[in-house]
Amino acid sequence: QSALTQPASVSGSPGQSITISCTGTSSDVGGYDYVSWYQQHPGKAPKLMIYEVSNRPSGVSNRFSGSKSGNTASLTISGLQAEDEGDYYCSSYTSSSTVLFGGGTKLTVL
Amino acid sequence: QVTLKESGPVLLKPTETLTLTCTVSGFSLSNPRMVVTWIRQPPGKALEWLAHIFSNDDKSYSTSLKSRLTISKDTSKSQVVLTMTNLDPVDTATYYCARMSSGSLLFDYWGQGTLVTVSS
Repeated sequence: QSALTQPASVSGSPGQSITISCTGTSSDVGGYDYVSWYQQHPGKAPKLMIYEVSNRPSGVSNRFSGSKSGNTASLTISGLQAEDEGDYYCSSYTSSSTVLFGGGTKLTVL
Repeated sequence: QVTLKESGPVLLKPTETLTLTCTVSGFSLSNPRMVVTWIRQPPGKALEWLAHIFSNDDKSYSTSLKSRLTISKDTSKSQVVLTMTNLDPVDTATYYCARMSSGSLLFDYWGQGTLVTVSS
């Protein structure tokens, strides 16, 4: 199974909005609403930001939102802040009862 | 307070076997909603899911690594063990254990990770 496809990098200025895509197949992203997004800062463990496509855990800013259309899920961050800089990974449950991660996207806040 | 902590060797040689232990607290491995997962991340690279184990001992493995992985648990010790055989330098990575909620299939708590280096 190949990793889910994410852009290698995205960037935006403070206050702007950015969207990170995560493309899979009908056997993973398209077939289940079990898509999650994780933020990772250098040297740290990943942190859950979005689960079940569009749900935010308690404590995560409402500037983070998720959606899905077909085989592609998206993470949108609005009102970019310097602290949002880091790596972002999507994950999805698969029809093989496994989990796939995306290749990761490096977000730079200009 | 939920915590997970990985432990194991930091340096191994090619062809050796890696044994990692994840010790959890704040939840029980017998809770049917809780699943413990192993995930790794080579330096500078992406996360890779390896395996997970349910409270009823059901297991699932990465398709590409299935032949080399074994996951098990000792509920009384609150520990989950991952073994990986026939190590190669490409297995050099930070290995994380994480808790997965079986209902939402999300990883809500992670260990700090342990860096394992495979080198001759």
